[in-house]
Amino acid sequence: KAGVTQTPRYLIKTRGQQVTLSCSPISGHRSVSWYQQTPGQGLQFLFEYFSETQRNKGNFPGRFSGRQFSNSRSEMNVSTLELGDSALYLCASSFTGAGETQYFGPGTRLLVL
Amino acid sequence: EDQVTQSPEALRLQEGESSSLNCSYTVSGLRGLFWYRQDPGKGPEFLFTLYSAGEEKEKERLKATLTKKESFLHITAPKPEDSATYLCAVQAVIKAAGNKLTFGGGTRVLVKP
Repeated sequence: KAGVTQTPRYLIKTRGQQVTLSCSPISGHRSVSWYQQTPGQGLQFLFEYFSETQRNKGNFPGRFSGRQFSNSRSEMNVSTLELGDSALYLCASSFTGAGETQYFGPGTRLLVL
Repeated sequence: EDQVTQSPEALRLQEGESSSLNCSYTVSGLRGLFWYRQDPGKGPEFLFTLYSAGEEKEKERLKATLTKKESFLHITAPKPEDSATYLCAVQAVIKAAGNKLTFGGGTRVLVKP
């Protein structure tokens, strides 16, 4: 069974631009969560989508948004990029969510210049 | 607010030298505690899920245990390939079914031959 895939793997943007990251969950998984990983803050929860609805949201500004499609694929968008948005963005999937193991993708490394 | 603290931050071991990693947590109600391994530049790889105090799980040289306040990851006779960052995360029981993980800062393990 194929794992979680994320595209692109690497991205370089400049301040003020916007970016869209994509995540394809494991086949059959309907819950997709997004996390930001930085050396200073570690792994932090951004949001979770289930059946095309945002079910949970972390403490991030409104510049961070996401969506989920009917095939469970998910995208996250960051508008008006700031230098501090440079991070590894990780996507994780599980069947339905609560209490279940989340399986992570390889991540998208975003560098904001 | 859920909190997870991992210690030590870094651990240097000789091959064959067993040791334990600690994960202390504060959560309103524990739905599950998760251990992951992360190699540099990659996404976290799932190791174990623990649900209730007293539970233990083993996989090769790794054994995870859970009490009401902390979890331990024991590494027995480690090999250089066990070098990685080990991450602990908790999921709390919340009203809305959801899949938010709160992570600790991780323990970087280096096993020297």
